[in-house]
Amino acid sequence: DVKVTQSSRYLVKRTGEKVFLECVQDMDHENMFWYRQDPGLGLRLIYFSYDVKMKEKGDIPEGYSVSREKKERFSLILESASTNQTSMYLCASSFGRASSNYGYTFGSGTRLTVV
Amino acid sequence: AQSVTQPDIHITVSEGASLELRCNYSYGATPYLFWYVQSPGQGLQLLLKYFSGDTLVQGIKGFEAEFKRSQSSFNLRKPSVHWSDAAEYFCAVGARGNEKLTFGTGTRLTIIP
Repeated sequence: DVKVTQSSRYLVKRTGEKVFLECVQDMDHENMFWYRQDPGLGLRLIYFSYDVKMKEKGDIPEGYSVSREKKERFSLILESASTNQTSMYLCASSFGRASSNYGYTFGSGTRLTVV
Repeated sequence: AQSVTQPDIHITVSEGASLELRCNYSYGATPYLFWYVQSPGQGLQLLLKYFSGDTLVQGIKGFEAEFKRSQSSFNLRKPSVHWSDAAEYFCAVGARGNEKLTFGTGTRLTIIP
């Protein structure tokens, strides 16, 4: 069964901490994505990557960075966590350059609370 | 740029009743359209997708959706809901040659006995 695995289901961090959210996929997908999900706002794209070491900003990149050193792993980094980054974070992956054809496979999400 | 609207934030349906969730999209050409379901505390699971051909698409769990170009809609339907269908449902739109999907804000479905 193909999978996108997010390393933590729940995280609690303090304001100002540097936070790493990890995502691994085993489907050899080219594209990987980080979304945050907030009530009433749906899913908003933070960053995505279409190849190793390649990244593009999404709709809300401020306060975040990403790293993709290997094809299967895509990390989201909160440089200095703030309370307004408390949210559900979803990782997804997809196949190929025209991946809209196929849709995404999602991980189970990481619920991050910043206190 | 593509966009998608789900006009219903929350819908309550009795178990065994029929269901229709609305989705309207905006895109200049033929879009790729998706419905995803999210159970509480989980990620999103693909229910069905449309990108060409027959405008009535069958998905998993007994769901179907119909693409209506004239109305820019892709509504999700189920003839008889089960308590396990209680979840949040997201419509998404994509474009040819584009890696990114744009998601709606979701519709939360509650099932009452």
